Amino acid sequence: GAVVSQHPSRVICKSGTSVKIECRSLDFQATTMFWYRQFPKQSLMLMATSNEGSKATYEQGVEKDKFLINHASLTLSTLTVTSAHPEDSSFYICSASSRQGVGDTQYFGPGTRLTVL
Amino acid sequence: AQSVTQLGSHVSVSEGALVLLRCNYSSSVPPYLFWYVQYPNQGLQLLLKYTTGATLVKGINGFEAEFKKSETSFHLTKPSAHMSDAAEYFCAVSSNTGKLIFGQGTTLQVKP
Repeated sequence: GAVVSQHPSRVICKSGTSVKIECRSLDFQATTMFWYRQFPKQSLMLMATSNEGSKATYEQGVEKDKFLINHASLTLSTLTVTSAHPEDSSFYICSASSRQGVGDTQYFGPGTRLTVL
Repeated sequence: AQSVTQLGSHVSVSEGALVLLRCNYSSSVPPYLFWYVQYPNQGLQLLLKYTTGATLVKGINGFEAEFKKSETSFHLTKPSAHMSDAAEYFCAVSSNTGKLIFGQGTTLQVKP
């Protein structure tokens, strides 16, 4: 149980285009989903927290107009990188939790490798 | 505020040897602690989790961790390393808003 998928697993796009990444909880309802960014050989950096049906909460320093997050249902959240540039190239990972509280387990997706040319 | 420190960014052991990955935390409230493993180009997989109760937590793949409040530690161990254990390991503490605060990670290398 507690499987989270991401699509696509890998995407290459041209500078200036937008890219959408999907995160789905396959066997449970995810009240809360988290989006992370990971640079090579580094830890995960939380970008934003999204709750179903409400606006995402972004971490300090993350541009909300650049990284659009939509959590339209209890099983799907999307991250859209708008007007992507080479510096946006990274590994993006989502996680999902059935609740948002202290100690609730987050289940992670397999990640999406974004390369912007 | 919560924080996590993983001592040793890189640990190398021989196959069959004891694995010990160190994690110390700081938390102003009773901590909820996690260990995750990440294989190359993949997401994170939960190894084990401490909430309350028994301080020795058993996880998947033969790993276990012991919560020591007096030492603010949550070290991960495995009696005998396998080649397949080579990966990146992350210790994390849950914030009071449900966010995870991660350590910097420890790369485990297993030598034949």
